Amino acid sequence: AQKVTQAQTEISVVEKEDVTLDCVYETRDTTYYLFWYKQPPSGELVFLIRRNSFDEQNEISGRYSWNFQKSTSSFNFTITASQVVDSAVYFCALSEVNTGTASKLTFGTGTRLQVTL
Amino acid sequence: KAGVTQTPRYLIKTRGQQVTLSCSPISGHRSVSWYQQTPGQGLQFLFEYFSETQRNKGNFPGRFSGRQFSNSRSEMNVSTLELGDSALYLCASSPGAGLNTGELFFGEGSRLTVL
Repeated sequence: AQKVTQAQTEISVVEKEDVTLDCVYETRDTTYYLFWYKQPPSGELVFLIRRNSFDEQNEISGRYSWNFQKSTSSFNFTITASQVVDSAVYFCALSEVNTGTASKLTFGTGTRLQVTL
Repeated sequence: KAGVTQTPRYLIKTRGQQVTLSCSPISGHRSVSWYQQTPGQGLQFLFEYFSETQRNKGNFPGRFSGRQFSNSRSEMNVSTLELGDSALYLCASSPGAGLNTGELFFGEGSRLTVL
């Protein structure tokens, strides 16, 4: 069975600090997708990134970067120079191709990030 | 482009009642998925509909059901409500054609409280 673990329940940082959110996953499939979503207080989940299991290249998008390492089954997310607007709950998720759809996501328990001035 | 719309946003029911939640996906999206979010169990997949057919379902009892209409709008129904059904119910849409590997677009959810 697939599983996503986000060991950090809550992280508090001061604005402009860098912060890394950890994600470890388990799956028996060789083909899968990994995602990060952000959930602001309004409730909707906002897509941040998708990675497929064949693409281990790290990715940077502005202040966000992602480090995917199959050898350690990790898909960590770093926010550089954090801002108050980054305060939210962040979820890592996994989708297995053999379910017939990538819409069936297994989510981690989320990491609540609090950025203060 | 309008986002995913869920109605109602908030509702209160009592045990034993039933509830119907509605989701209008982004125009052109044919896949609608439903997720339940609770403090104890986190985010859990309920089911997915594509072209009016249930394409996948999660591990929930038969009290949870859904359907999709020809215009891709979807409804989910929970019968014989229990206290544990109190949750934020999130709907997500995606283009859904073939094996969907794209991101999901979520609505703001319907917060159900069962008393």
